[in-house]
Amino acid sequence: EPEVTQTPSHQVTQMGQEVILRCVPISNHLYFYWYRQILGQKVEFLVSFYNNEISEKSEIFDDQFSVERPDGSNFTLKIRSTKLEDSAMYFCASRRLAGAYTQYFGPGTRLTVL
Amino acid sequence: AQKVTQAQTEISVVEKEDVTLDCVYETRDTTYYLFWYKQPPSGELVFLIRRNSFDEQNEISGRYSWNFQKSTSSFNFTITASQVVDSAVYFCALSEATETSGSRLTFGEGTQLTVNP
Repeated sequence: EPEVTQTPSHQVTQMGQEVILRCVPISNHLYFYWYRQILGQKVEFLVSFYNNEISEKSEIFDDQFSVERPDGSNFTLKIRSTKLEDSAMYFCASRRLAGAYTQYFGPGTRLTVL
Repeated sequence: AQKVTQAQTEISVVEKEDVTLDCVYETRDTTYYLFWYKQPPSGELVFLIRRNSFDEQNEISGRYSWNFQKSTSSFNFTITASQVVDSAVYFCALSEATETSGSRLTFGEGTQLTVNP
């Protein structure tokens, strides 16, 4: 069964450094998402992406964040200058378009900012 | 604005007991979808079920069943004869049903279910 994959599984970085989190959505899916989950808290929406542009973003997704689909398979989240409070689990999700609203999630990348 | 409330933060049961996880939602949309996801200790989010706002039929899948009541804006989840492997955090989530926006998922706070042997 096709799955969403994410790399790396764990990333440790210093405050102020740039990080890129990578995702490979399910191949016939057209909508892509990033969510984050601070330890012990609920899952929060960051951004959705369709047809090579952002379709919706939350107030969390400020200028420090950007997303890109650099090729036909990868979907990336970049955090330009990480802060301590960016430490969280970041989940990528994808879904098909035509009336299929179920989002399938990847295993997550745990980001630790020191 | 959409909101999902899972009032039960933690539930602890003994194996073979039945357990119901509550979910109450708020939305101004007339068409929407409700979901349950399971997050086991390994951390991934596993899709369990989706219901749309037009379909209030209850659903049973093995030991799992779901009770959707639009009149009370609730979408409760029952596990029958719980097992230790059911121990996880369970999230209820809501999304609008439109292709003109991203259809973001709004999650509840989650319920930590612990099933003891």
